[in-house]
Order: sequence, then C-alpha cells, then structure tokens
Amino acid sequence: DIQMTQSPSSLSASVGDRVTITCQASQDISYYINWYQQKPGKSPKLLIYDASNLETGVPSRFSGNGSGTDFTFTISSLQPEDIATYYCQQFDNLPLFTFGPGTKVDIK
Amino acid sequence: QVQLVQSGAEVKKPGASVKVSCKASGYSFTTYYINWVRQAPGQGLEWMGRISADNGNTNYAQNLQGRVTMTTDTSSSTAYMELRSLRSDDTAVYYCARDHEFVVGFDYWGQGTLVTVSS
Repeated sequence: DIQMTQSPSSLSASVGDRVTITCQASQDISYYINWYQQKPGKSPKLLIYDASNLETGVPSRFSGNGSGTDFTFTISSLQPEDIATYYCQQFDNLPLFTFGPGTKVDIK
Repeated sequence: QVQLVQSGAEVKKPGASVKVSCKASGYSFTTYYINWVRQAPGQGLEWMGRISADNGNTNYAQNLQGRVTMTTDTSSSTAYMELRSLRSDDTAVYYCARDHEFVVGFDYWGQGTLVTVSS
C-alpha cells in the first residue's frame, strides 16, 4: 500500500504570509496527487489536481508542485478565509485512493 | 446545478448495520462513479470505495472488504452505502462524492451523514 505523510500537522501563520505544506509518498506516484481544502464543518473541496493544476474557480494564490515522492502545496498570501485543513490525495494505484493525514492551518 | 443530498444522521448499536443514501441531481447520474469517504471525529479523510452508477461495478478499500456494500438505484439517481457489523470506531461522518468530470478526483460532495455507533 502507498502511504502518504504530510507536514506539518498544523501551523499558525499571519494574514499575508506564504504557507507551504508538504506531502510525501512512500513510493513514486509520478504526478498523481490532488489537494483538497476542508473548512470546519464543511465537505472537502478540490483545489489542485495532478500535482500542479488549479481547479476552475480556485484563487491563484493556491498552487501545487512536485513529482515522484515529494510534493508541496503553497498559499502565496494567506487570507482569513483560508482557515481550513488541507489534505493531499494520491491515485497512483487506481481504482484505489489514499488521503494524507491533513494539515490544519490557523491564523496567528 | 449538481447536488448530492445525503440522508440524515443515524445512531446504531454495535453489531448493527447502517445504510446511508446519496441522492444526485443536476447531471446524468449514470455517467459518473460515486465515491464514499468517511471522517471519524477530529480525524482525517478515509476513502471507503466507489461504485459505477452505470453498471454497478464496485471497488472497496481493503480494510472494509466484507463489511461494506455500495449500490445504486438509477430510477431515483440515488447511491447507497451499507456498512455492517458496526463497531464504535465506525463512528464518523460519511460523505458521498462524485468523480470529477474531466480529471481524476472528486468534484462534488454530499453534505455528510453522521453515523454514531454506541451501546
């Protein structure tokens, strides 16, 4: 099974800060990773697909990068509405999916 | 617009079964897979499996094989997830989510259904 790790598990940053989250796969998964945002009490929302592509309607301050085993998700300028937990999702071994453990982002 | 509306919260005793529904609207139901994802209180997301709304083909997460069954009713555009032999660690919010129209991923999600397993 492919295992996904995320770091940090939580972070606090100020409005306007650049925030970076990493996701590491236990084996090479090429670019087969998505990123989701889940606000408290809400359903998840797809932000980034195929490692680096912005889903339609998602603000450009969100971005993703990486391939192989190491991936990054960045918010270029943190906004109050970005308070959420962010999850990576790998799909290298379709039809199975695996989510990372999540990173909770707060405002300092 | 695309909507996935799930059934209401459930409270079950250990050993019982639960069946959660997910009614789709706003798109051609049989064109897409429906996935089920659960989230235990304060925990992360766990993909449970998926079902083709076209032909009923299913894929389940290994840890749930034998306890979960996913079905669809195309006449009502509704997907169902049944989980049997419930345990306390099955307490979670259960989400249905549609396969994305163009890429691999999930683009529309239900509002979630809280299933509480308690004696």
